Amino acid sequence: NAGVTQTPKFQVLKTGQSMTLQCAQDMNHEYMSWYRQDPGMGLRLIHYSVGAGITDQGEVPNGYNVSRSTTEDFPLRLLSAAPSQTSVYFCASTAYEGNTEAFFGQGTRLTVV
Amino acid sequence: GEDVEQSLFLSVREGDSSVINCTYTDSSSTYLYWYKQEPGAGLQLLTYIFSNMDMKQDQRLTVLLNKKDKHLSLRIADTQTGDSAIYFCAESPLTGGGNKLTFGTGTQLKVEL
Repeated sequence: NAGVTQTPKFQVLKTGQSMTLQCAQDMNHEYMSWYRQDPGMGLRLIHYSVGAGITDQGEVPNGYNVSRSTTEDFPLRLLSAAPSQTSVYFCASTAYEGNTEAFFGQGTRLTVV
Repeated sequence: GEDVEQSLFLSVREGDSSVINCTYTDSSSTYLYWYKQEPGAGLQLLTYIFSNMDMKQDQRLTVLLNKKDKHLSLRIADTQTGDSAIYFCAESPLTGGGNKLTFGTGTQLKVEL
């Protein structure tokens, strides 16, 4: 099992550009989430999904879109990148609701200039 | 809303015990977690505790929970250089489990020889 795989690992965008951060898991987990990590602020929840076709907003959803067409994939789309979206993004998955262990990807470091 | 706070830095000598502290505000938290993040990597679950427990021990790790003061601590016995990392305290409600985590700011642990 590869676990949770995120691509790319690094990305530089210009303000106003759009892009998609990819996340895939091969553990057949129902739940997937996206977090952003900023210095001095820990990780904050952007969007999450409780299963294919079902997504919901987290604490900081503005400027991001998600979809969940398959159990395995949960891409995060930046519609029009802004410098405030410079961050490290982590995708995570858990097996089912209430399961305590979240598995995290290695992260994508995004810089918006 | 929820708020989780941690001190930013801790330095200890190899072989000593480390104690990392965390305070949280959400009385409805059901699970409380400790995650470890090594440089350039994702987060790894170290241990968790149910909110109706006072203590949990797992090899070198001891978690203490004081519900009255909303205080959580992680004690690492016989700290090694490989324990140098950022440690995050996190909480989640019953319905979210490991999928909807609220993280603290993280404590950077430095282990000196």
